[in-house]
Amino acid sequence: DTAVSQTPKYLVTQMGNDKSIKCEQNLGHDTMYWYKQDSKKFLKIMFSYNNKELIINETVPNRFSPKSPDKAHLNLHINSLELGDSAVYFCASRGSGGHTEAFFGQGTRLTVV
Amino acid sequence: DQQVKQNSPSLSVQEGRISILNCDYTNSMFDYFLWYKKYPAEGPTFLISISSIKDKNEDGRFTVFLNKSAKHLSLHIVPSQPGDSAVYFCAASGTGANNLFFGTGTRLTVIP
Repeated sequence: DTAVSQTPKYLVTQMGNDKSIKCEQNLGHDTMYWYKQDSKKFLKIMFSYNNKELIINETVPNRFSPKSPDKAHLNLHINSLELGDSAVYFCASRGSGGHTEAFFGQGTRLTVV
Repeated sequence: DQQVKQNSPSLSVQEGRISILNCDYTNSMFDYFLWYKKYPAEGPTFLISISSIKDKNEDGRFTVFLNKSAKHLSLHIVPSQPGDSAVYFCAASGTGANNLFFGTGTRLTVIP
């Protein structure tokens, strides 16, 4: 049973479209994240979401928005997709307390054409 | 502004020898450090961690060393095995803070 699952694994879409990536965790964790791994392979944090508190990386365009219907889910919505949005997006979850590890999903490779 | 840095993008080591991966950080509020391993087309998986109250943590072939004064940590793998070939990410977080910051990764290749 996968601890953190995200769908789809691959997503190809045209510029200007709106798309969503779903993430679910069954670990009972309080904190969930979205990371972006770009062509330089750098894992950059986009959002963290803890008990309804959203912390946004200020460099993330407002075309990106996380939506959390409940504690187990943190979906990523992207509006007006651009070529530069092409990357691998990872969802992760983490228990509370600070000194814990995060568990990652398998990633979603987004290609904008 | 990147708070966690891995200055070596790649490292090649012969099977059976020691692999040493390095990581530097800038934020003195970080008090928990982790290493992750990543294979292609998979998410990062947790490997080992260390709290700032320690300077060494060992788990089998993997040992992490922390030098707080230098804001530096390293991961030692000994002996290295071909299956260890992957990208290794260093990560850090602060007390009570949710965010987990990652370095840019080091690609380790273990040559049989």
